[in-house]
Amino acid sequence: AQSVAQPEDQVNVAEGNPLTVKCTYSVSGNPYLFWYVQYPNRGLQFLLKYITGDNLVKGSYGFEAEFNKSQTSFHLKKPSALVSDSALYFCAVRDTNYNFNKFYFGSGTKLNVKP
Amino acid sequence: DSGVTQTPKHLITATGQRVTLRCSPRSGDLSVYWYQQSLDQGLQFLIQYYNGEERAKGNILERFSAQQFPDLHSELNLSSLELGDSALYFCASSVTSGRAMFDTQYFGPGTRLTVL
Repeated sequence: AQSVAQPEDQVNVAEGNPLTVKCTYSVSGNPYLFWYVQYPNRGLQFLLKYITGDNLVKGSYGFEAEFNKSQTSFHLKKPSALVSDSALYFCAVRDTNYNFNKFYFGSGTKLNVKP
Repeated sequence: DSGVTQTPKHLITATGQRVTLRCSPRSGDLSVYWYQQSLDQGLQFLIQYYNGEERAKGNILERFSAQQFPDLHSELNLSSLELGDSALYFCASSVTSGRAMFDTQYFGPGTRLTVL
């Protein structure tokens, strides 16, 4: 079965510092991984995805994610956090076995960026 | 703005009632997905339609049903509502049926359902 885990409910970082939001995955087959961000009272916004190729994926708003096959991780990173980055972040993996259309989302990590 | 629209934004109703949530996908997208987001269950996939046909089913209760119309908008019908159905309901859309590797889901702003 496909699944993702976000081990941290909350991440606190000071503005200007680098940030990392962690995600580990469990899949059978090739992993197709996604990051989404949810601002208060808003829907999920697509940030980036890993399908194949370069392990470092660049996405929207200066975010990037590093795919690490040996550690089964897909951590979201940003070199310099902004207060406006404060939001709820979801990692997701899509089913590549029986139902390609299904996405499995992690429980979410709340990112707090303090001025 | 993802281009996916959902109405209404908020819905307050009583237990036992029936409601209909509406979603319009991005222009050109053929697939519509429905998700439920609640505090205890997180984000759960409910059902997907592609070009009018049901394509995938997730953790959708029998009291819930959906359909996609010829103009590609979709409706999620929730009946015999219970307190536990209170949640945010999101619609997402994508270009293909979902089988393409590059396919990405784009989410609407959601409908917040409160069952009293």
